[in-house]
Order: sequence, then C-alpha cells, then structure tokens
Amino acid sequence: NAGVTQTPKFRVLKTGQSMTLLCAQDMNHEYMYWYRQDPGMGLRLIHYSVGEGTTAKGEVPDGYNVSRLKKQNFLLGLESAAPSQTSVYFCASSYPGTDLLYGYTFGSGTRLTVV
Amino acid sequence: QKEVEQDPGPLSVPEGAIVSLNCTYSNSAFQYFMWYRQYSRKGPELLMYTYSSGNKEDGRFTAQVDKSSKYISLFIRDSQPSDSATYLCAMSGGDNYGQNFVFGPGTRLSVLP
Repeated sequence: NAGVTQTPKFRVLKTGQSMTLLCAQDMNHEYMYWYRQDPGMGLRLIHYSVGEGTTAKGEVPDGYNVSRLKKQNFLLGLESAAPSQTSVYFCASSYPGTDLLYGYTFGSGTRLTVV
Repeated sequence: QKEVEQDPGPLSVPEGAIVSLNCTYSNSAFQYFMWYRQYSRKGPELLMYTYSSGNKEDGRFTAQVDKSSKYISLFIRDSQPSDSATYLCAMSGGDNYGQNFVFGPGTRLSVLP
C-alpha cells in the first residue's frame, strides 16, 4: 500500500517553462488536494477536488491548473513557471464527511525551483 | 492578521522535557483541530485530532482546545530526540468544512540528547 505518491521529487525549471506534477493515491479517497509550503507561510491550498472530474480553486490558485480525470490521480500544471512558484508542493487525499477527522494523507512532496 | 498563528520557533529542549506547542486562531467557526508532525523533507503526518473544546490524550501526547480563547495546545511528555520535527496545527469548520483545513506555519522542535 503506497498511499500518496508524487512525481517528480525534484525539478528545476527555467522561467517560462511548463511542467506537470503528478499525484497518485491508492486508498480510494474521494478528495484530493494540492498545497504549496513556503517558509513562514505554512501550507496553502492551491486547488482541490471532491471527486473524479471535479476541481475547485483554493487560496492561491493563480498560475496553476489542475485536472482529475481519474479518481486516483490529480495533476497540477504550471503553464509558464515564475520564480515566485519556487516552493515545495504537497499532494494530499482524504475521505469526505466525518472521515475527515482522520485527516489527510500527504505525499512526500515535490521540490520545485524556478530560475 | 493570519487566520491561524503559530510561533515558528525553533524550540530546543533537552531530552525528557515537557514540550508545549500552541496555536491561536481567529475564526470562531472552527470546530475540528488537528496536529501534524513533519520530519525534514517529508510530508506531514497526522498526530492527533480533537473536536470542539476539551482534552485528548494519546500516549505521550495531549491535545487541548480552548474555544473561548481560540487557543489550542499540544503537550509532549518525556520528549525524545525522535520527536524533533516541525509541528503544524490545522483546523476546519464552518464554511470550509469538508473541503480543506487551514494550517498554521509550523513550529520547529529540536529535542537534544
């Protein structure tokens, strides 16, 4: 049981380049999330999905797009990377409703540097 | 004012000490409170959760919630070097329940042998 798997683990991009971060979960969770973590800022929600084919904006969605074509996968895209998007990106998944009390399962993160 | 405030530390304590970690928040709608532990270069993992006010104990860890003061705490007894990590509080409720949690920035803890 792998839990939440993020690929890649590290990436360096040049300003203006595009890339896609992949998140895969094998726990049959309905909800999936993309967060970014910056020093002193904590985890900030970028986008989230409450089910296959659905997505919604979080706190800091600008410059990112997402897709959830399959229940187990949640993709985060950067169309034109900017240095301000240098961060550690975490994917998480959870059950809905009262099972949220058990919290999220997080992936191990993707460290992205935009130069 | 941020929705959730947390002293970033770093906090250094000797092995065996009692550690107190705290968060304050501004949204009175929050009802669910969680503590996550994050080791360096890893994703956060859930330690404990509580609902509304009160205390909850799990081994060496005790979580307290005081909704009247909008203040939550995590106590670690007999702290161990393996407790060295960043501790994040998270909370949910009201309009955003079922969608996402609001996280504090985290407190970095070092337990020295």
